[in-house]
Amino acid sequence: QVQLVQSGPEVKKPGASLKVSCKASGYTFTSNGISWVRQAPGEGLQWMGWISTHKGNTNYAQKFLGRVTVTKDTSTRTVYMELRSLRSDDTAVYYCARDRHYTFDFWGQGTLVTVAS
Amino acid sequence: QSALTQPRSVSGSPGQSVAISCTGTSSDIGGYDYISWYQQHPGKAPKLIIFDVNERPSGVPDRFSGSKSGNTASLTISGLQADDEADYYCCSYAGSPRVFGTGTRVTVL
Repeated sequence: QVQLVQSGPEVKKPGASLKVSCKASGYTFTSNGISWVRQAPGEGLQWMGWISTHKGNTNYAQKFLGRVTVTKDTSTRTVYMELRSLRSDDTAVYYCARDRHYTFDFWGQGTLVTVAS
Repeated sequence: QSALTQPRSVSGSPGQSVAISCTGTSSDIGGYDYISWYQQHPGKAPKLIIFDVNERPSGVPDRFSGSKSGNTASLTISGLQADDEADYYCCSYAGSPRVFGTGTRVTVL
């Protein structure tokens, strides 16, 4: 069965960087891309970016351009999301999701990131 | 890219039907048929319930249906059940980025 397992919770200081991992299993890794979506406390879902697990090309939301990088390691079937220059309003649950023809059909369990001094 | 507009909340009694609207523009909902809907219970990851405007993934009951007209998509839940109480989000492809709706809380009275 398709599974996306994310790395554990993180606490970061303002200005630091964050790297969250998402390990895929149960399907052909290179057949579907992976998107990252975040959800601030009490807020809605926000799409951050996408990576093709086949060719490695990426696409980011304008809001995060220059601050986010999504990468992949095909040998370990893992996708990474790095967010730099963290601010308190980056406190959120970060999800990875399999992106199949612009549909998020399977989701990771979420990674809680807290940014506080 | 602005978020798609959804009503903040809708409610209904068990067995009734409720509809949730999702309004965008010709650059997102109106321009593509890649509209999806997600159900999210508190503290859980979202779950896909509708894709490509009106298609249901395996295992999602046919009480959930989707449609689109112009720049507005809609999700209808028929035969409302207690477990349908959750937050619902629409999402649309927008030419490269994807954009979510603001979210709707469904309350079962």
